[in-house]
Amino acid sequence: ETGVTQTPRHLVMGMTNKKSLKCEQHLGHNAMYWYKQSAKKPLELMFVYSLEERVENNSVPSRFSPECPNSSHLFLHLHTLQPEDSALYLCASSQEGEYSPLHFGNGTRLTVT
Amino acid sequence: DAKTTQPPSMDCAEGRAANLPCNHSTISGNEYVYWYRQIHSQGPQYIIHGLKNNETNEMASLIITEDRKSSTLILPHATLRDTAVYYCIVRPLGNTPLVFGKGTRLSVIA
Repeated sequence: ETGVTQTPRHLVMGMTNKKSLKCEQHLGHNAMYWYKQSAKKPLELMFVYSLEERVENNSVPSRFSPECPNSSHLFLHLHTLQPEDSALYLCASSQEGEYSPLHFGNGTRLTVT
Repeated sequence: DAKTTQPPSMDCAEGRAANLPCNHSTISGNEYVYWYRQIHSQGPQYIIHGLKNNETNEMASLIITEDRKSSTLILPHATLRDTAVYYCIVRPLGNTPLVFGKGTRLSVIA
């Protein structure tokens, strides 16, 4: 139990589908993150939310759309994805402060067909 | 870009100490050294962090050289469950997002 829960664990979608990934943190943190992990590549930061405001968007294509309705929940809305978007999508949270480590969920394994 | 250099892979015998090196020669005075690991099919897990003093917790010890240009993560008695990719990350004080490199794949062998 990591304190950060991601659903679904696995998702297969076609290129014309619309789906959403969900992340919930039970740690009382006020910052949340989306990372992407493609095969044989380092984790890439996608989005950062601090106090429910997006503070970073790392040149992510508009077919990925994040939403942070409150400090405990984070969504990643997906539409018209490409096969190269297949990856492990990881959510993390942290508490703003000096030493706050990130706590990660176990990710959603996304396959785009 | 990641600001650290780690060997791509290492082996360690079960029960022995695993010593994972990390080079961070361009580290700034306000940057901490963080270590995470990622076990297969799971998200990264925080292990330990430090600024300039050596640190120890229930998982590992972190030894940082006096000039802070390198560090070593020590797992004192490696088990098969310690097989994972270990990431060394430098990060300024505050809430700056982590930038991951390729890490070291540690294989603990029975």
